[in-house]
Amino acid sequence: DTEVTQTPKHLVMGMTNKKSLKCEQHMGHRAMYWYKQKAKKPPELMFVYSYEKLSINESVPSRFSPECPNSSLLNLHLHALQPEDSALYLCASSQDVRGPTSNQPQHFGDGTRLSIL
Amino acid sequence: GENVEQHPSTLSVQEGDSAVIKCTYSDSASNYFPWYKQELGKRPQLIIDIRSNVGEKKDQRIAVTLNKTAKHFSLHITETQPEDSAVYFCAARHAGGTSYGKLTFGQGTILTVHP
Repeated sequence: DTEVTQTPKHLVMGMTNKKSLKCEQHMGHRAMYWYKQKAKKPPELMFVYSYEKLSINESVPSRFSPECPNSSLLNLHLHALQPEDSALYLCASSQDVRGPTSNQPQHFGDGTRLSIL
Repeated sequence: GENVEQHPSTLSVQEGDSAVIKCTYSDSASNYFPWYKQELGKRPQLIIDIRSNVGEKKDQRIAVTLNKTAKHFSLHITETQPEDSAVYFCAARHAGGTSYGKLTFGQGTILTVHP
């Protein structure tokens, strides 16, 4: 059983559509992450939220827009995506980014498999 | 920024043999090193991790060693089983600068255990 829940599991969208990916955790973690993973490649960091504030944006194109409404939820809003954006999008959470509890594991959700037509 | 090199890219062993995967990192400030196992179509799952104040850690058939001076760490799996077949990723966690807390992953090792 995964402790990080992502919805939807699969998403097919056209290049003009707007959709959102959702992620939820109830472990009391204060850091949440979005990753993009292409087949046979490692996860590639997109965004990090710490205490509901964006702390890292890895120069991600503006067609990806993250949102952290509260400490348990993380969204990724998608608009005008390109075919090369097709990938597995993984959410993860960890205890903290800084401080004495920062060296704790990141726990991944099962991901959303996104296909852009 | 941090750079993590992982070798080998593929590893094939017979059931019962040992498997060793090695990673090197570039940033001496990195202080946390997890290993993830990812089966086809599934999420990465943490299998073991090590912090920079420890040289070795073991959990049943899995062990990790860390050499901070040489900036490398290794995953050791003993008595391999077919269900160990997966992609394994090492990672290093940044502990400074604007990327504080970021995990940089190695390129992955496809481990195949033949019955």
